Amino acid sequence: GAGVSQSPSNKVTEKGKDVELRCDPISGHTALYWYRQSLGQGLEFLIYFQGNSAPDKSGLPSDRFSAERTGGSVSTLTIQRTQQEDSAVYLCASSPGTGAYEQYFGPGTRLTVT
Amino acid sequence: GQSLEQPSEVTAVEGAIVQINCTYQTSGFYGLSWYQQHDGGAPTFLSYNALDGLEETGRFSSFLSRSDSYGYLLLQELQMKDSASYFCAVRRNTGKLIFGQGTTLQVKP
Repeated sequence: GAGVSQSPSNKVTEKGKDVELRCDPISGHTALYWYRQSLGQGLEFLIYFQGNSAPDKSGLPSDRFSAERTGGSVSTLTIQRTQQEDSAVYLCASSPGTGAYEQYFGPGTRLTVT
Repeated sequence: GQSLEQPSEVTAVEGAIVQINCTYQTSGFYGLSWYQQHDGGAPTFLSYNALDGLEETGRFSSFLSRSDSYGYLLLQELQMKDSASYFCAVRRNTGKLIFGQGTTLQVKP
């Protein structure tokens, strides 16, 4: 079946603009995660959705970042008033549920803020 | 707080064996995962340890000692294609993963 997909693959935006990044998880996966990866660095946890539970937003770096997940499937990560330090690859992953230990990653969205 | 430590770089030759260590400090520990990431690619799952001991999957093995808050990834019969970054990640009881900074493995001919 299809894997996790993300769009756009690349996004260049001007400082101060808002951006929306999209993630389509694997069908049937109830858990969805967003991470941020700066060049040569590890994966920084941002937010985690599990079924109908309240999302774990503990990793969002500021109130400019928000995410939603509609219908338990597609998720959108929104960054408002982008800053240059927001430039990174944003990765989405999904898994069958909390009890599953393997996360399946999408190809990521490379965000460049100029 | 929570932290994971792993070496930043490791170099080995084709056919050799290499071990990448990971020490962690976290609450709500549930298990230790390992992911591989090639340049420009997405992380892919390699292995997971919830209990102490060794898990073997082909050329790759992973070990966990919960009492020592320590684990390692062992790669045998190294191939050039194994050149990549390797991340350990603590899985918390909520399902959340906390990743280390990664170890860049360079395999030389």
